[in-house]
Amino acid sequence: AQSVTQLDSHVSVSEGTPVLLRCNYSSSYSPSLFWYVQHPNKGLQLLLKYTSAATLVKGINGFEAEFKKSETSFHLTKPSAHMSDAAEYFCVVGENSGGSNYKLTFGKGTLLTVNP
Amino acid sequence: KAGVTQTPRYLIKTRGQQVTLSCSPISGHRSVSWYQQTPGQGLQFLFEYFSETQRNKGNFPGRFSGRQFSNSRSEMNVSTLELGDSALYLCASRYSYADSNYGYTFGSGTRLTVV
Repeated sequence: AQSVTQLDSHVSVSEGTPVLLRCNYSSSYSPSLFWYVQHPNKGLQLLLKYTSAATLVKGINGFEAEFKKSETSFHLTKPSAHMSDAAEYFCVVGENSGGSNYKLTFGKGTLLTVNP
Repeated sequence: KAGVTQTPRYLIKTRGQQVTLSCSPISGHRSVSWYQQTPGQGLQFLFEYFSETQRNKGNFPGRFSGRQFSNSRSEMNVSTLELGDSALYLCASRYSYADSNYGYTFGSGTRLTVV
């Protein structure tokens, strides 16, 4: 069975400083990994995805994530935070568990606060 | 192209009533999934439809049901509403059911409040 652990429920940074949102996963198969962002009262927007190609994945708005199989991690980073980055971020693992039974499992989310 | 459209955006219902939520996927997307989001449980998978057939189901009671039409639009129904059904219901579409390389595109959700 697959699972996702987002290690911090809340991260607070100052504008212009780096962002690190941590995610560990477990999966019985070769997973696909995603990061989504949700702004207040909005749906989820895909930031980036890893699907067994390059281990360093670049996404939108300057975000990137590195897939580390040995550490079962997929941490999200950004060199310099912007006020508009304040939102909730979800790490997601997608797994084919046999046949065509594909399922997404979401982490509990990390709320990112950006201080001026 | 238009994104995933969910209607209505907000709903207030009374306990015991039933409700139907609608989702129109991105044009050309044939798979539609539904998720429930609450502060306590986070995002939980309800079910996924592809070509008018339910392909995958989460751990929700039978009061939660859905269907998909030939144009890929999907509806979700909740009968005998309970206070705990208050949540943001999100719909997501993707092009291919079996292809895990495609990310899901989410709608803005329907906020259901049960009073």
